[in-house]
Amino acid sequence: ILNVEQSPQSLHVQEGDSTNFTCSFPSSNFYALHWYRWKTAKSPEALFVMTLNGDEKKKGRISATLNTKEGYSYLYIKGSQPEDSATYLCAALNTGGFKTIFGAGTRLFVKA
Amino acid sequence: GAGVSQSPRYKVTKRGQDVALRCDPISGHVSLYWYRQALGQGPEFLTYFNYEAQQDKSGLPNDRFSAERPEGSISTLTIQRTEQRDSAMYRCASSPRQVRSEKLFFGSGTQLSVL
Repeated sequence: ILNVEQSPQSLHVQEGDSTNFTCSFPSSNFYALHWYRWKTAKSPEALFVMTLNGDEKKKGRISATLNTKEGYSYLYIKGSQPEDSATYLCAALNTGGFKTIFGAGTRLFVKA
Repeated sequence: GAGVSQSPRYKVTKRGQDVALRCDPISGHVSLYWYRQALGQGPEFLTYFNYEAQQDKSGLPNDRFSAERPEGSISTLTIQRTEQRDSAMYRCASSPRQVRSEKLFFGSGTQLSVL
């Protein structure tokens, strides 16, 4: 069973703070890890897809790393801005099919 | 189309009625997913199509739920004899290829309320 967990559940930071959160997944039969940003009243928007152990991806002030051996990924936001306020979802797939399993998300609030 | 389109945007129905939710994926996208999302939770997998073939329906909660994609494009999720516990946001997502590393493009969802 593929179970994806995210922590913390929510996070409040000040504008300009850097922050990070964690996604944990089973390392056995791992294939891919996705990160999505979901803003209120909008649809989840893809940020990164990573497959290889040690992968690092970056998009502006947001970056992510992947450790497939221990089963976790970190998402980092440098210099948080109010527009970064959103729920950040991770999702994992294993080698057994195309079922993409999402975590419950980390809800980020950035105060100006 | 420009994005994944879902209709209706909102659906209010009485318990016991059947509902049909529609998803029109991005043109040319071969993979299509249905998810259910409760308030404050991540999307919960329901079913997956590759073209018209339903390759995984393991997430459908019970036999009241069914989905089809007869021509490999538009998909319909049908819930028969709706119950209050079926109330949720139902989201559709598509991707251009049947590749596990392909990102998903989500629709705006259908908010279903069963009274």
